[in-house]
Amino acid sequence: DIQMTQSPSTLSASVGDRVTITCRASQSIAIYLNWYQQKPGKAPNLLIYAASSLQSGVPSRFSGSGSGTDFTLTISSLQPEDFATYYCQQSFTTRALTFGGGTKVTSK
Amino acid sequence: QVQLVESGGGVVQPGTSLRLSCAASGFTFSTYGMHWVRQAPGKGPEWVALIWNDGTNKYYTDSVKGRLTISRDNSKNTLYLQMNTLRAEDTAVYYCARDAGPGAQIWFDLWGQGTLVIVSS
Repeated sequence: DIQMTQSPSTLSASVGDRVTITCRASQSIAIYLNWYQQKPGKAPNLLIYAASSLQSGVPSRFSGSGSGTDFTLTISSLQPEDFATYYCQQSFTTRALTFGGGTKVTSK
Repeated sequence: QVQLVESGGGVVQPGTSLRLSCAASGFTFSTYGMHWVRQAPGKGPEWVALIWNDGTNKYYTDSVKGRLTISRDNSKNTLYLQMNTLRAEDTAVYYCARDAGPGAQIWFDLWGQGTLVIVSS
């Protein structure tokens, strides 16, 4: 299976900060990479699909980039509602989808 | 209202069975591939199974092959997960999720609220 490694695992930031989360695949996955936000007790929520496409209804402060093995999720100006855990997910191997280990964004 | 609602979770003993259901509403269920994704306590999501929109193809993560079976009834707008020979490591919140990706690309644009399965003696 393709392994997805996120860094950092925990990130402390303040409202207004620019935040960058990295996801690395164990092999090239082209742009078959999606990002989700999850808050405690809730299901994940799709933010970015196909590496850089913003899901409808998601604020424009969220953006994604990358291709091949290295991807980033950027929050341009962190808002109070953005404190959450973020996961990447690859779909290059459609019969063995995998998620990253998560990045928890906490308040500094 | 576009939504997915899971049911059927509970506390069961190892080696027993359970069937989860996911009721879809507000969209044309029969046109979407559907998935089960689970999340163990304190862990990240883990993809479990996929079924094509017409039910003709099904895929599973290795750890559940031969024990868990995904199915759907498009006439009832319902997705199922039959869970047999349950193990402690199957303990998780189970989510159903809609596959919005075109062709080979897969992303989950709609999730249910989840149903908790606890396997314990």
